[in-house]
Amino acid sequence: DTEVTQTPKHLVMGMTNKKSLKCEQHMGHRAMYWYKQKAKKPPELMFVYSYEKLSINESVPSRFSPECPNSSLLNLHLHALQPEDSALYLCASSQDRGGAAQNIQYFGAGTRLSVL
Amino acid sequence: AQSVTQPDIHITVSEGASLELRCNYSYGATPYLFWYVQSPGQGLQLLLKYFSGDTLVQGIKGFEAEFKRSQSSFNLRKPSVHWSDAAEYFCAVGPGYNTNAGKSTFGDGTTLTVKP
Repeated sequence: DTEVTQTPKHLVMGMTNKKSLKCEQHMGHRAMYWYKQKAKKPPELMFVYSYEKLSINESVPSRFSPECPNSSLLNLHLHALQPEDSALYLCASSQDRGGAAQNIQYFGAGTRLSVL
Repeated sequence: AQSVTQPDIHITVSEGASLELRCNYSYGATPYLFWYVQSPGQGLQLLLKYFSGDTLVQGIKGFEAEFKRSQSSFNLRKPSVHWSDAAEYFCAVGPGYNTNAGKSTFGDGTTLTVKP
């Protein structure tokens, strides 16, 4: 099973709402990632969790709050977002061990977020 | 710092014709290189990867890529394109051997259109 599952697939929220994105994998991977992708652009890294600890935060605004409750689950909590935050949010995972295999990232299908 | 350049923003080919998508990278050591494909509204799917060894690598869906260190290139090829290959293609370089999970660098992508 090489599947990364993201829910919901689509989300529409107002600027005062609080919502969460969820990502799950059962491949035993110990690194999980959040990316933001605008149309016709490459994914932009937001956060990396390694062994359930936040290892990289790419200076993301605090209205995005990641959480890794266990090794299989990654959440992204959203609060007071702006219309420019509308994008496809992708989750990925990798093995995160020494060696080449750690570099292979498996991506979910993403959550299409619209902020009104 | 590592970087990836995909010189072609958009390529159009006829169904059944051959395809080559270009990728040039900048990296201080032996790179880990990837090609991903993304269909509209979907996540990224790994087509193939290069870590070491044979410089011609085979991937899924009939794709192959050749690593040329002297040219800092990792071009993607397919001998006969199918209409279902129409998508966005991203070249990426990984963070390197024996580092913890970290940043991959993506090119800006090439949009492939397939004419009937």
